[in-house]
Amino acid sequence: DTGVSQDPRHKITKRGQNVTFRCDPISEHNRLYWYRQTLGQGPEFLTYFQNEAQLEKSRLLSDRFSAERPKGSFSTLEIQRTEQGDSAMYLCASSLVGRRRGYTFGSGTRLTVV
Amino acid sequence: GQQLNQSPQSMFIQEGEDVSMNCTSSSIFNTWLWYKQDPGEGPVLLIALYKAGELTSNGRLTAQFGITRKDSFLNISASIPSDVGIYFCAGPGEGAQKLVFGQGTRLTINP
Repeated sequence: DTGVSQDPRHKITKRGQNVTFRCDPISEHNRLYWYRQTLGQGPEFLTYFQNEAQLEKSRLLSDRFSAERPKGSFSTLEIQRTEQGDSAMYLCASSLVGRRRGYTFGSGTRLTVV
Repeated sequence: GQQLNQSPQSMFIQEGEDVSMNCTSSSIFNTWLWYKQDPGEGPVLLIALYKAGELTSNGRLTAQFGITRKDSFLNISASIPSDVGIYFCAGPGEGAQKLVFGQGTRLTINP
């Protein structure tokens, strides 16, 4: 169990640029989640996948955001035309269907839009 | 929507003191989770609670699932420096596949 891995750990980008983050879940986990966390707040749900199917998207996920999990393993989260309000920690988590003990988070990608 | 309110928002204590924090919900939850987050890291699960009235321990940490199913409590006994961090409560959101988090309790310990 190597844990949930996220890359990069930090990203600084200029407003208007596109960014892409990657998440590698725990290998046997079939569910993968993306959350966003702003300073002083708890994580907020963005979207989740079961295998390769994206089953739910939050209203927070505007049309500038897109997430994929093409082969049911790793996932990418892309933000197009970044805005300063997109600055946040983007957390990925994974779990196994049927296990009740919450899920395992990665260390996150800290995005700063300047 | 579902909201979780954590109290207090921050705590400043001396090493060795006991800590109590709580989390209240606007709706009934059937699961309560307590996470700890260190700076620059993701949250780590500490304790999971599944039944009203349940009391569960993990070392010096003890959490309880309130009997009204709208609250939960976390206690830390004999605090040590590595307890510093932000503690979040969480529960299943609408549809049960996502989690709703409180805003966190920030714990600072003076040696």
